[in-house]
Amino acid sequence: DAGVIQSPRHEVTEMGQEVTLRCKPISGHNSLFWYRQTMMRGLELLIYFNNNVPIDDSGMPEDRFSAKMPNASFSTLKIQPSEPRDSAVYFCASSSRGHASYEQYFGPGTRLTVT
Amino acid sequence: QKEVEQNSGPLSVPEGAIASLNCTYSDRVSQSFFWYRQYSGKSPELIMSIYSNGDKEDGRFTAQLNKASQYVSLLIRDSQPSDSATYLCAVNYNTNAGKSTFGDGTTLTVKP
Repeated sequence: DAGVIQSPRHEVTEMGQEVTLRCKPISGHNSLFWYRQTMMRGLELLIYFNNNVPIDDSGMPEDRFSAKMPNASFSTLKIQPSEPRDSAVYFCASSSRGHASYEQYFGPGTRLTVT
Repeated sequence: QKEVEQNSGPLSVPEGAIASLNCTYSDRVSQSFFWYRQYSGKSPELIMSIYSNGDKEDGRFTAQLNKASQYVSLLIRDSQPSDSATYLCAVNYNTNAGKSTFGDGTTLTVKP
């Protein structure tokens, strides 16, 4: 299995620009999670989906952030407009309910730098 | 109070020693418990999961769960320098969508 795939791996952009992060979960997994990690705040859950439906977006910092999951194999996290404080590593993870209940598998992350 | 608490460390042990990492969680219905390892600059990697009270062993790793005392621990035997990483404890409170709550992690350094 290819694991969770994220793109791009690195993104450098200027303040005010739109940023789109992409994620392909593991095939067959029905839950998808977006996290943000910084030294100051650690690993934060932004939003998660179950069967392509957003379940909890209470971790999304503000209206500048939005996430979609149009089908079971693709999700996006968009920041518009971006700000320097959005600089962080963004991880996508997926899991499935079953014998190995709720084990999450993380993608390699996208390192975002906003100047 | 955070729902999942870990000592931030750093925890330093000599090579070959046993490293003991601890995690406590708040009093809620909790079903699944996980340990993730994160190397610097990398993503978290699942190394152990435990679902019932007692010990679970996998190679040099042993996870211990005590629901009555609300703690879960990870023991690493014969620690190696390659075990140096941050270890994250995660607890799933049996939600349908599989959301887990993560601790802030304990940084482990194994000195040669």
